[in-house]
Amino acid sequence: KAGVTQTPRYLIKTRGQQVTLSCSPISGHRSVSWYQQTPGQGLQFLFEYFSETQRNKGNFPGRFSGRQFSNSRSEMNVSTLELGDSALYLCASSLQNNEQFFGPGTRLTVL
Amino acid sequence: GIQVEQSPPDLILQEGANSTLRCNFSDSVNNLQWFHQNPWGQLINLFYIPSGTKQNGRLSATTVATERYSLLYISSSQTTDSGVYFCAVAYFGNEKLTFGTGTRLTIIP
Repeated sequence: KAGVTQTPRYLIKTRGQQVTLSCSPISGHRSVSWYQQTPGQGLQFLFEYFSETQRNKGNFPGRFSGRQFSNSRSEMNVSTLELGDSALYLCASSLQNNEQFFGPGTRLTVL
Repeated sequence: GIQVEQSPPDLILQEGANSTLRCNFSDSVNNLQWFHQNPWGQLINLFYIPSGTKQNGRLSATTVATERYSLLYISSSQTTDSGVYFCAVAYFGNEKLTFGTGTRLTIIP
């Protein structure tokens, strides 16, 4: 069974731009969660989607948004990028209330 | 929200040594997972262990849910065990994982 995949793996953007990251969950998994990892803040929860609905949201500004498609694939978008948005963005999928599996991440650098 | 503390923050050992990593959490949880983050940043699942004891080769883990802690044991350490180990927990019915700050393990040949 294929694991969680994320694209792109690396991304360089400039301040003020926007970015879209993609995540394909493990086949059969309907829950997709997003996390941000930075050296200063560690791993922080962004949001979780299940059956195309956002069920849970972390403490991030409205510039961070996401969506989930009918095939469970998910995208997250960050608008008006700031230097502090430079981070590793990780996506995880799971069957409901069960073990979560992570993708390889997208490393975003904002210049 | 739930608090997760990991100790020690850093651990340096000789190859072949054994180690114990600890995770304390502040509330009852339904999900507890241990991860190893590889040098490229991917979180590798080690154990899904909300309670009880599990073993996988040289690694084993124990969670005592009533006392709100979990332990990860690594025996006969190898240099490939180096990296950061994270503990993460979640409440029942909530997919949000709260992570500890990790233990950085360095195995010296």
